[in-house]
Amino acid sequence: DAGITQSPRHKVTETGTPVTLRCHQTENHRYMYWYRQDPGHGLRLIHYSYGVKDTDKGEVSDGYSVSRSKTEDFLLTLESATSSQTSVYFCAISDNGLYGYTFGSGTRLTVV
Amino acid sequence: DAKTTQPPSMDCAEGRAANLPCNHSTISGNEYVYWYRQIHSQGPQYIIHGLKNNETNEMASLIITEDRKSSTLILPHATLRDTAVYYCIAAYSTLTFGKGTMLLVSP
Repeated sequence: DAGITQSPRHKVTETGTPVTLRCHQTENHRYMYWYRQDPGHGLRLIHYSYGVKDTDKGEVSDGYSVSRSKTEDFLLTLESATSSQTSVYFCAISDNGLYGYTFGSGTRLTVV
Repeated sequence: DAKTTQPPSMDCAEGRAANLPCNHSTISGNEYVYWYRQIHSQGPQYIIHGLKNNETNEMASLIITEDRKSSTLILPHATLRDTAVYYCIAAYSTLTFGKGTMLLVSP
């Protein structure tokens, strides 16, 4: 999607290794979000940010940490990847935190 | 966020209106109704939102009942490209996605 880029698009990693996913935006939006999507669960919020260095937990934050040192970048780190974290991860941005979220194209992560 | 209930699937003929219902009987006064859709494995796409009044944009119309306990998303002339999972969300800020309605538009 225009203005929001996720990297990498695909990643395979081993159990127990740390993994960092990056979300980059060029819209200067204040709010950024990380979701995961699994079959049968829809999208679930992991963490979100409402400004530089301001973050909060979502519904499924255990095993994940985030950082936002610049407006444009929101990093999601899996501290020690487990097979249960195999998922598709979506980043989203919003300028007002209320509506009109724009989602990225997703990162497909496989933990083996 | 208020819980929403949507039918798991619906069918629609191409060119006809698609009316997707959503029940949100526990919605509170400051919660908006949002609709998003997800085509295949892409990221969800914002469609429309409303608080109390009916809303229309270039993609769809949103009809919210007077008691705000339910709403209907209307795609006036469905095309094959409208085949997607449609999510109805009742929330004030951060969004919680349920399982949505799989809309299949057929020729």
